[in-house]
Amino acid sequence: TQLLEQSPQFLSIQEGENLTVYCNSSSVFSSLQWYRQEPGEGPVLLVTVVTGGEVKKLKRLTFQFGDARKDSSLHITAAQPGDTGLYLCAGARDNAGNMLTFGGGTRLMVKP
Amino acid sequence: NAGVTQTPKFRVLKTGQSMTLLCAQDMNHEYMYWYRQDPGMGLRLIHYSVGEGTTAKGEVPDGYNVSRLKKQNFLLGLESAAPSQTSVYFCASSYGDRPYEQYFGPGTRLTVT
Repeated sequence: TQLLEQSPQFLSIQEGENLTVYCNSSSVFSSLQWYRQEPGEGPVLLVTVVTGGEVKKLKRLTFQFGDARKDSSLHITAAQPGDTGLYLCAGARDNAGNMLTFGGGTRLMVKP
Repeated sequence: NAGVTQTPKFRVLKTGQSMTLLCAQDMNHEYMYWYRQDPGMGLRLIHYSVGEGTTAKGEVPDGYNVSRLKKQNFLLGLESAAPSQTSVYFCASSYGDRPYEQYFGPGTRLTVT
């Protein structure tokens, strides 16, 4: 049983569509990170959110941390083929800030 | 800067063989980590180190050992490989004051037959 559940696991959409990926837990996290991973490479950090209710924007990507710091979402506006990849959320808990718990990932494919 | 590098990139072992994976980072990071990634399970922490000469167990440490003799290097050893250790292994590093922002290497794909 994973502490962080991501949904959906797979998502295939057309270029220009919007999408939202969810990361949920019953545990409270002191911070939550979103990473993107391309085939054959390691994950690359996209954003860190630390405050309940926090919203961060990175161009067409919007990240939100839940008020209770138990969940997060990633929204992509007008998806492009370059957004294709595996999106991973990861949480750090107060008593183990250096140990991250990763979700299972959402594999996104954006078709031209 | 090369960032985080891992060697080798691919390896095939027979059950019972041993091997060492090498991770190096040139960012002067205090913390280093070893993860394994299996389909649908995200990344799971094997061992980590908060400084030269120190190591600690993560979520799935059984069957692995690590050493951090130099700040820039973190070694992961498999003493007697098992098919269950077939996976992709990632090394990561971070600054001590922001341990949750980790920089990952390109990975090592290990197959144990």
